[in-house]
Amino acid sequence: AQRVTQPEKLLSVFKGAPVELKCNYSYSGSPELFWYVQYSRQRLQLLLRHISRESIKGFTADLNKGETSFHLKKPFAQEEDSAMYYCALSCAGGTSYGKLTFGQGTILTVHP
Amino acid sequence: DADVTQTPRNRITKTGKRIMLECSQTKGHDRMYWYRQDPGLGLRLIYYSFDVKDINKGEISDGYSVSRQAQAKFSLSLESAIPNQTALYFCATSEPFGGGEQYFGPGTRLTVT
Repeated sequence: AQRVTQPEKLLSVFKGAPVELKCNYSYSGSPELFWYVQYSRQRLQLLLRHISRESIKGFTADLNKGETSFHLKKPFAQEEDSAMYYCALSCAGGTSYGKLTFGQGTILTVHP
Repeated sequence: DADVTQTPRNRITKTGKRIMLECSQTKGHDRMYWYRQDPGLGLRLIYYSFDVKDINKGEISDGYSVSRQAQAKFSLSLESAIPNQTALYFCATSEPFGGGEQYFGPGTRLTVT
């Protein structure tokens, strides 16, 4: 069975500082990894996915299969980045493709 | 995203009562999901449905049941509510080949006293 772990429930940084939200996973097959974000009073939404290898709102995430990690990074945090962030995993292919397993979530607070 | 709606948005009920949470979507997606969110535990999958005739248990289905009335509607029922079912409940939808992109409703805050 797959598992996603986000070791930090809370993360606080100051505006302009680098930020890294950690995500580790366990899965015996080939995973697809995602970051979802929930801003205050908004719906949970997809932020980025590893197969796209894109930067969204200045955030990037690299899948490291050797370390089974998918950490989310931003070099200069902004106050509007304050939100709840979830790492999620989907099995690539198979009958359960598209079903997500979420981590516990990390609340990021960016102070002015 | 107003395409996925949930009713009610807030509900307070008593232990032992039956309650139904409803989810509707206008996105035309075949796949629908029910999650609960608890502080420190994140989002956990209760049930999911890949089409109208397909219903599957998630990781925490005990105490819950679902009904997929149509492609657009997926209801979650608590037959006899208990206090530890107090949580924020989310419905989501996705396309079959959309990978992991799911579209979430606004959530229903349920309190069982």
